[in-house]
Amino acid sequence: AQKITQTQPGMFVQEKEAVTLDCTYDTSDPSYGLFWYKQPSSGEMIFLIYQGSYDQQNATEGRYSLNFQKARKSANLVISASQLGDSAMYFCAMREGGTASKLTFGTGTRLQVTL
Amino acid sequence: DTGVSQDPRHKITKRGQNVTFRCDPISEHNRLYWYRQTLGQGPEFLTYFQNEAQLEKSRLLSDRFSAERPKGSFSTLEIQRTEQGDSAMYLCASSFRLHEEFFGPGTRLTVL
Repeated sequence: AQKITQTQPGMFVQEKEAVTLDCTYDTSDPSYGLFWYKQPSSGEMIFLIYQGSYDQQNATEGRYSLNFQKARKSANLVISASQLGDSAMYFCAMREGGTASKLTFGTGTRLQVTL
Repeated sequence: DTGVSQDPRHKITKRGQNVTFRCDPISEHNRLYWYRQTLGQGPEFLTYFQNEAQLEKSRLLSDRFSAERPKGSFSTLEIQRTEQGDSAMYLCASSFRLHEEFFGPGTRLTVL
């Protein structure tokens, strides 16, 4: 089974609107971390937000928030007030265990922000 | 610039040649990771160092691939006898805490 599933290959959103990018994960480890990265056309992976499995509150970083539903194993990224510069690929990733193990990535969602 | 840096940014080589990439992590980061990303996919893990020790290697890392981090600072990734299937973006990342991992700009390899 895929460890990280992103079911939306592409999404469109109008400028200034909010958008939700879906991510579901699969792990039997009680300790894990979930990451979201943005990859613009330049190729660099830009860290956006992190959620730990034991965190009680949903993570927020500026216009980014993570809708963490542990029982459903979902970690959706919400971008509020979309900007043209938000157009990029977005990747969800997971680190399992309490150690510095590797990140496992999903296949990504391409977001296009329109006027 | 205090981010992760990678050199070169682009490399074009002929099949069968050897190539070496360099990664300079953020200075206080003791963990360093290499990933490979092909078109339309997310990055895939290759290998991981904590200081100078290589702690984990993916099965993707065939015997043609070798990585080093000799003094726990910069790292090199060498691919011997390159094949067309090695064409990809090679990404380096570093971290100090478990809840972060910062990536460099990547090295795009094209094997002709």
